[in-house]
Amino acid sequence: GNSVTQMEGPVTLSEEAFLTINCTYTATGYPSLFWYVQYPGEGLQLLLKATKADDKGSNKGFEATYRKETTSFHLEKGSVQVSDSAVYFCALTDTSTGNQFYFGTGTSLTVIP
Amino acid sequence: DTEVTQTPKHLVMGMTNKKSLKCEQHMGHRAMYWYKQKAKKPPELMFVYSYEKLSINESVPSRFSPECPNSSLLNLHLHALQPEDSALYLCASSLGGTRTDTQYFGPGTRLTVL
Repeated sequence: GNSVTQMEGPVTLSEEAFLTINCTYTATGYPSLFWYVQYPGEGLQLLLKATKADDKGSNKGFEATYRKETTSFHLEKGSVQVSDSAVYFCALTDTSTGNQFYFGTGTSLTVIP
Repeated sequence: DTEVTQTPKHLVMGMTNKKSLKCEQHMGHRAMYWYKQKAKKPPELMFVYSYEKLSINESVPSRFSPECPNSSLLNLHLHALQPEDSALYLCASSLGGTRTDTQYFGPGTRLTVL
């Protein structure tokens, strides 16, 4: 079946620290991979996505590379800011299930000044 | 414009009330979704409409009744809810129903059932 495993949180970092949030997946067909961010009291916003192997998604200093060989899509940012404090969700869709999203459990990030 | 709007932002209702949640998008998207999100959890898919037809119903209790009057609007009718139905209800839309399509989420309706 399809599933996403995301690193447990919460994660607390100091401003300007390096961020990695691990995400691995299992897919029946050929997945697309997404990172969404949810700020307190808001809906989910697309952060970045990749639709084929070796694609790199990037946005607002965040990056993730679709690694088929390791079934991973880890999120990275070189220097986090207080404004990056939010919950981050890794998700996939799959050729076998169309646009149905499979979400990871979410990782809460707090950045302290 | 990549906006999905939802009304109301907050809703408090008793277990005998009937209320509706509304969702609207003007991006020309043909797939629309309802999700339920409990605190500190990922969204759980409830319903999917594709080209205004209900294509997925994830075994949601009948006290939740979706409606898609046209391609821009999605409603969720609520009746005889239970306190455990209190949650953030999110609407989303996507261009179509393929695996590469991004889903755009609204800000949600915070529902409290007393």
